[in-house]
Amino acid sequence: KAGVTQTPRYLIKTRGQQVTLSCSPISGHRSVSWYQQTPGQGLQFLFEYFSETQRNKGNFPGRFSGRQFSNSRSEMNVSTLELGDSALYLCASSFRGRLTDTQYFGPGTRLTVL
Amino acid sequence: AQKVTQAQTEISVVEKEDVTLDCVYETRDTTYYLFWYKQPPSGELVFLIRRNSFDEQNEISGRYSWNFQKSTSSFNFTITASQVVDSAVYFCALSVPTGNQFYFGTGTSLTVIP
Repeated sequence: KAGVTQTPRYLIKTRGQQVTLSCSPISGHRSVSWYQQTPGQGLQFLFEYFSETQRNKGNFPGRFSGRQFSNSRSEMNVSTLELGDSALYLCASSFRGRLTDTQYFGPGTRLTVL
Repeated sequence: AQKVTQAQTEISVVEKEDVTLDCVYETRDTTYYLFWYKQPPSGELVFLIRRNSFDEQNEISGRYSWNFQKSTSSFNFTITASQVVDSAVYFCALSVPTGNQFYFGTGTSLTVIP
């Protein structure tokens, strides 16, 4: 079974621009979660989608948004980029996103904001 | 509130030494799951183990072993006879019934010196 895939793997943007990251979950998985990883803050939860609905959202500004498509693929968008948005963005998928499910992570997208 | 603490920021050991990575968690939920992930330099979080709150049995998988003690709210991870390939950042995570998210510790960076 193919793992979680994320595209692109690397991205360089400038302040004020917007960016869209993509995540394809493991086949059969319907829950997709997004995390931001930075040296200072560690791994922080952004949001989780299940069946095209956002079920939970972390403590991030509205510039961070996401969506999920009917095939469970998910996209994450960051508008009006700031230098502090430079991070590794990790996507994780699980079968249903329930307590008993293990999350499997993709390789991440490393975003650099100049 | 949920919290995971990994007090050891960095650990260096010489190859073939045993090493224990500590994880302490906080939650008021009586049902929860604990996880360990490995993050090699490539960035992808690799799932290692999952444990539920009702199963305190220790587990061994090859050179890896885990010690779960509810009395001390700890879920420690031991690598026996460490190898250079074990060099990575290791994360402990907690999942609870509400929130559909994982709570991660800040990670322990392990360096195994040949």
